[in-house]
Amino acid sequence: AQSVSQHNHHVILSEAASLELGCNYSYGGTVNLFWYVQYPGQHLQLLLKYFSGDPLVKGIKGFEAEFIKSKFSFNLRKPSVQWSDTAEYFCAVNAYTGRRALTFGSGTRLQVQP
Amino acid sequence: DAGVIQSPRHEVTEMGQEVTLRCKPISGHDYLFWYRQTMMRGLELLIYFNNNVPIDDSGMPEDRFSAKMPNASFSTLKIQPSEPRDSAVYFCATGTSGGRTDTQYFGPGTRLTVL
Repeated sequence: AQSVSQHNHHVILSEAASLELGCNYSYGGTVNLFWYVQYPGQHLQLLLKYFSGDPLVKGIKGFEAEFIKSKFSFNLRKPSVQWSDTAEYFCAVNAYTGRRALTFGSGTRLQVQP
Repeated sequence: DAGVIQSPRHEVTEMGQEVTLRCKPISGHDYLFWYRQTMMRGLELLIYFNNNVPIDDSGMPEDRFSAKMPNASFSTLKIQPSEPRDSAVYFCATGTSGGRTDTQYFGPGTRLTVL
């Protein structure tokens, strides 16, 4: 069965600091990878996704993620965070086995201090 | 497009009562998913449908939970009888079967509190 690990549970940064959130998955085959963001009190919104091609994926709001197949990783990055980035971030994977459901990581709570 | 619509947004009920959560998918989406989010267990899949047919219900915690999708524009998740441990945020998400694009679009969720 596929699984997703997000090692950073709670990250506190100051505005303008750089961000990198780790995501590792366990599945040896082809995968689709996602990062979702959940702002306080809101629903999950898609930040970016990877299906194939360029392993460096750019998403909304200046976020990007890099798929490193050899490391089974899909880390999320942003060069300069803003207070409005305060949210919970979820990495998710879908192994291309025909089962369409996403497996989510436990989430990383990001707190950006002004 | 209005996105995925869920109702009610908040539900407070007493233990033993029946609870029905509703979801209207994005028009044209043929996949519908029900997830539950709790502090302890995070986001977990309960069940998903394809073309109104349940495909995988292995995440449904027990017989108290049931889900239906009578048509392409409506789904329900029912808990009967409800228990305090069912308190959570329940999300509905939908997607299309186009190629490998498994992107799912989430609704605003229903926050359920069982007293």
